[in-house]
Amino acid sequence: ETGVTQSPTHLIKTRGQQVTLRCSSQSGHNTVSWYQQALGQGPQFIFQYYREEENGRGNFPPRFSGLQFPNYSSELNVNALELDDSALYLCASSVPLAGEDPQYFGPGTRLTVL
Amino acid sequence: RKEVEQDPGPFNVPEGATVAFNCTYSNSASQSFFWYRQDCRKEPKLLMSVYSSGNEDGRFTAQLNRASQYISLLIRDSKLSDSATYLCVVNRGNNNDMRFGAGTRLTVKP
Repeated sequence: ETGVTQSPTHLIKTRGQQVTLRCSSQSGHNTVSWYQQALGQGPQFIFQYYREEENGRGNFPPRFSGLQFPNYSSELNVNALELDDSALYLCASSVPLAGEDPQYFGPGTRLTVL
Repeated sequence: RKEVEQDPGPFNVPEGATVAFNCTYSNSASQSFFWYRQDCRKEPKLLMSVYSSGNEDGRFTAQLNRASQYISLLIRDSKLSDSATYLCVVNRGNNNDMRFGAGTRLTVKP
């Protein structure tokens, strides 16, 4: 196991609602990245947090936001949920901006928007 | 055109077979490369990093051709447990820019 944990494991919401997903990084890792994975697709980069600051963002609208806490855990918040937000949300932790070091994924949160 | 493209698959092979996956990437500034495997409804797990000189880990061999912007993964003596989706991953050089291919599904049959 990677030591990256996520909660909750599953979530069902309705259109227009807001959701918060949580992630605890692997010990020694202070960088957390969030990804959205739709069925049959590879993970798509949402954003990354390093030392409590957003450090890069993919092609996602502002209603996707996040936080990182002093203990390096992180939250992903999605406002005004849409049906297309239904996906597996993955967080991954890594060593600080090492570039060549891989990222280690948590088990994901499966979000269903009805 | 997607930044990371993989063989569409699926690959269905018998146990013991050798199978090769290909991946191309479009951003020539990409600096590091990885193969991940993902089991059904699970998270991606690192299989191996890919180095310029090529590298091997047991039955798995990864190759990188920077000039052609091409990455490959070779699996020898396939096992039933190798059945999974294999994701090609390219890092543009900042750790905040990992790009994933859509994955290639492998099924190894008895």
